[in-house]
Amino acid sequence: GNSVTQMEGPVTLSEEAFLTINCTYTATGYPSLFWYVQYPGEGLQLLLKATKADDKGSNKGFEATYRKETTSFHLEKGSVQVSDSAVYFCALSSGTGGGNKLTFGTGTQLKVEL
Amino acid sequence: DSGVTQTPKHLITATGQRVTLRCSPRSGDLSVYWYQQSLDQGLQFLIHYYNGEERAKGNILERFSAQQFPDLHSELNLSSLELGDSALYFCASGKAGGLGETQYFGPGTRLLVL
Repeated sequence: GNSVTQMEGPVTLSEEAFLTINCTYTATGYPSLFWYVQYPGEGLQLLLKATKADDKGSNKGFEATYRKETTSFHLEKGSVQVSDSAVYFCALSSGTGGGNKLTFGTGTQLKVEL
Repeated sequence: DSGVTQTPKHLITATGQRVTLRCSPRSGDLSVYWYQQSLDQGLQFLIHYYNGEERAKGNILERFSAQQFPDLHSELNLSSLELGDSALYFCASGKAGGLGETQYFGPGTRLLVL
């Protein structure tokens, strides 16, 4: 079946540091890939997405490139802020027969300190 | 604010009881998805409805059922509750239910079974 593997957290960085959160996936076919972010006490918000190989999704300084050859979708940001502290989830979209679902990784907690 | 509303925000109940969680999708969205988030299982897909019809089923227990009404709101019914059902239940909505579409998440209903 489909699965998503994310690097374990928590990740603690100083403000303005470079961020990488690794994500690899296993799937049949060509899934779409997503990064969602969850701030404390809130629901999930879409951060970025990519729908085909070599697509780059970007939003709010975050980027991720769909790498089919390495089945990866690593999240990067050049300079993190305290306000980026949250849990980040990598996910893939799959389904059959008109149905659709997201398969999530376990989430990576990011803490950014001054 | 994603435009997806869920009620109630919090629910405390006892084992063996039955509860109903409600979700209203974003205006214009035809698909509703339900997910369960727990510490031990992470984020798990439960079920997908499109315009009133069930389209995909995930790891949903037989004690759980859902439906989507003609006005497109959805309800998730949980019965014979057990301690292990304590979790955060998210509803998400999407325009057409197709693969790769963005799912917009509500704030969730936190269920505590005592």
